[in-house]
Amino acid sequence: GAVVSQHPSRVICKSGTSVKIECRSLDFQATTMFWYRQFPKKSLMLMATSNEGSKATYEQGVEKDKFLINHASLTLSTLTVTSAHPEDSSFYICSARSLIGGPYEQYFGPGTRLTVT
Amino acid sequence: EDQVTQSPEALRLQEGESSSLNCSYTVSGLRGLFWYRQDPGKGPEFLFTLYSAGEEKEKERLKATLTKKESFLHITAPKPEDSATYLCAVFSNTDKLIFGTGTRLQVFP
Repeated sequence: GAVVSQHPSRVICKSGTSVKIECRSLDFQATTMFWYRQFPKKSLMLMATSNEGSKATYEQGVEKDKFLINHASLTLSTLTVTSAHPEDSSFYICSARSLIGGPYEQYFGPGTRLTVT
Repeated sequence: EDQVTQSPEALRLQEGESSSLNCSYTVSGLRGLFWYRQDPGKGPEFLFTLYSAGEEKEKERLKATLTKKESFLHITAPKPEDSATYLCAVFSNTDKLIFGTGTRLQVFP
């Protein structure tokens, strides 16, 4: 149980285009989902917290107009990187909070490698 | 400000050579401490949650312990397949999961 999927796993796009990443909780409902960014050999940096049906809460320094987050259902959240630039290239990981285990446990997706050329 | 520090940054072990990874933390109201395993190019895989000092949890060759200031992940008789980055994270009153920078473990046959 508590499986989270992401799609796509890898994406290459040209500078100036937009890219959408999907995060799905496959076998549980997730009222809260999180988006992280990870640079090579670095830890995960929280970008935003999204609650189903409401606006996402962004961390300080994260541009909400660049990283659009939508949490339209209890099993799906999307991250859209708008007008992507090479500095947006990174490993993006989502997670979902499940009440199946402990009250604060988060389960992570496999990640999406974004490369902007 | 919540902080999580992991040591060592990297650890090389011979197969069968037991060792421990450290996670020190300072948080405002600990709600839970988590250990994850991350393989290259993959998302973190959940291992353990510890909620209060004195708590211990075990899974195969791994055992996690918690005090008021730190947590240890003990690896007994590791195998090459245990090679990965081990991440510690804390959940506090800020309602966010704060990660340490991880320990990269390599186990050689």
